[in-house]
Amino acid sequence: AQRVTQPEKLLSVFKGAPVELKCNYSYSGSPELFWYVQYSRQRLQLLLRHISRESIKGFTADLNKGETSFHLKKPFAQEEDSAMYYCALSAGVTGGGNKLTFGTGTQLKVEL
Amino acid sequence: EPEVTQTPSHQVTQMGQEVILRCVPISNHLYFYWYRQILGQKVEFLVSFYNNEISEKSEIFDDQFSVERPDGSNFTLKIRSTKLEDSAMYFCASSAQDMLNEKLFFGSGTQLSVL
Repeated sequence: AQRVTQPEKLLSVFKGAPVELKCNYSYSGSPELFWYVQYSRQRLQLLLRHISRESIKGFTADLNKGETSFHLKKPFAQEEDSAMYYCALSAGVTGGGNKLTFGTGTQLKVEL
Repeated sequence: EPEVTQTPSHQVTQMGQEVILRCVPISNHLYFYWYRQILGQKVEFLVSFYNNEISEKSEIFDDQFSVERPDGSNFTLKIRSTKLEDSAMYFCASSAQDMLNEKLFFGSGTQLSVL
């Protein structure tokens, strides 16, 4: 069974401080990991995915298979980063109909 | 950027009534999904739909639930006889190809309240 754990419900940081949103997963196969973000009153949207090894809005995330983690990091938090962040896992089965298993989310609050 | 649209944004119904939640996926997308989020809980997968049939469903998606793509543009979720525990935010999503290669686009959700 797949499971995604985000241990922090709320993370509060000051503007300019580093941010790390934790995500751990449990899956016996080779997962695909994603971070989704939901800004206030907006829809859930993809922030980044580990397969792309990209940096979006200054955020990065590295898949650590040894620690089964996919923590989201940003060196300097901005006020506009305040949002709900969800870590998600896909079993990586191709051919259509992939499903995501989400964590419970971490509310990031960036204070001035 | 194209968007997935969902209607209504908020639906209130009596327990035991049937509800239909509507979604218009992005026009060239082939894969469609429903997820739900009970207040305070995680977003949960319900069902995926491809090529006019269900490709995968979760244990939540029992006989009370059904999905349909009636006219080539809409994608609906029907709950036959609603229960109190069906109260949740329901998200529709679509993608052009399978998850590994394409982004999953979410709608803004329908908040279902069962009284």
